[in-house]
Amino acid sequence: QKEVEQNSGPLSVPEGAIASLNCTYSDRVSQSFFWYRQYSGKSPELIMSIYSNGDKEDGRFTAQLNKASQYVSLLIRDSQPSDSATYLCAVNPMKTSYDKVIFGPGTSLSVIP
Amino acid sequence: DADVTQTPRNRITKTGKRIMLECSQTKGHDRMYWYRQDPGLGLRLIYYSFDVKDINKGEISDGYSVSRQAQAKFSLSLESAIPNQTALYFCATSVQGGPTGELFFGEGSRLTVL
Repeated sequence: QKEVEQNSGPLSVPEGAIASLNCTYSDRVSQSFFWYRQYSGKSPELIMSIYSNGDKEDGRFTAQLNKASQYVSLLIRDSQPSDSATYLCAVNPMKTSYDKVIFGPGTSLSVIP
Repeated sequence: DADVTQTPRNRITKTGKRIMLECSQTKGHDRMYWYRQDPGLGLRLIYYSFDVKDINKGEISDGYSVSRQAQAKFSLSLESAIPNQTALYFCATSVQGGPTGELFFGEGSRLTVL
């Protein structure tokens, strides 16, 4: 089992709809969770961090964390064509003596005008 | 100008050649990282450094070496490049004492080994 899993997509949604991106992780003691957006040919950019169970909202973005289910999601409301990108989920297991962030393979999102 | 700058941005080389990828940053961060990205595999950590005297191997360090020349400079070397090192390489930084995982990435260096 991979440590951080995401559906590779592509996920296609119409403009104005809600896009739901999902991520599961294998290490139950993980403490920190991150969502990065990566446009084609560009570098990843941090868009959300979440550390506690529940929802965290930032503009059109909502991150949801459920540690019991080992599940973190990203909702994008009122999706825009400019949201078309690959979204990377990242988890910090903090189980070893050094800091390490594990990235999922990413989900490709396409917002159709 | 970018806060985290990588050079070269693109490089094509041949098997067995020595290659150096350079990273410099103006963010004032102590922590620096080298990742490689392959399709379907996500980002994988090669090496990381928490200060000039601290260098640590990541999950895929074999075939790579690094040098932290200064707080702002972190270089990645491939001593003898091989085709399966063809990938997109990213340098990243983070704040000392800040949440690990809040990374600031450079623009990337695309390396092709023939």
